[in-house]
Amino acid sequence: DADVTQTPRNRITKTGKRIMLECSQTKGHDRMYWYRQDPGLGLRLIYYSFDVKDINKGEISDGYSVSRQAQAKFSLSLESAIPNQTALYFCATSPTGGNYGYTFGSGTRLTVV
Amino acid sequence: DQQVKQNSPSLSVQEGRISILNCDYTNSMFDYFLWYKKYPAEGPTFLISISSIKDKNEDGRFTVFLNKSAKHLSLHIVPSQPGDSAVYFCAAHANDYKLSFGAGTTVTVRA
Repeated sequence: DADVTQTPRNRITKTGKRIMLECSQTKGHDRMYWYRQDPGLGLRLIYYSFDVKDINKGEISDGYSVSRQAQAKFSLSLESAIPNQTALYFCATSPTGGNYGYTFGSGTRLTVV
Repeated sequence: DQQVKQNSPSLSVQEGRISILNCDYTNSMFDYFLWYKKYPAEGPTFLISISSIKDKNEDGRFTVFLNKSAKHLSLHIVPSQPGDSAVYFCAAHANDYKLSFGAGTTVTVRA
């Protein structure tokens, strides 16, 4: 099994629908992140959580919400999807402190039509 | 406004030659810098990193150079191999450990 698992891998949804992207990890890391990748913009931080009771907005949190259900689970919701939320979404984890870098999931490709 | 910038969206290099990828940053609080490699349909994977107290870090064919005064870093791949064809992201963080990423550079290694 992958260290960081994202579901679904691909999703097409309609404008206005609510959708949830899920992330689970077996790394035992406290910190989890959600990024989106857009062509020409790289990866931008949506939300992050440094432990189960800690949730923080990133640089592009509008239109998104998150839930940290457990140390190992961090889900991203789009309450009312819009076409410009079409992107590749990545979940990542990291240990507390230190410079160990992030471990990423394989991504969820979301298309809003 | 992006704090980490990779101004070259693509790079084509012949197998066996050197690949040089460049990255600039604007946030003087960044104290740790990383390069990630990404293949299609996969998440980014960590490649190499450097602390702001160093100016060079080497790992096999990969070397990262940091010029703090210029707020510039570069990744050298020598020699380039076909398996190095991927998207490379430059990233950086301050003491909050939140990574800021550049837009990426797509490297194509020609046989």
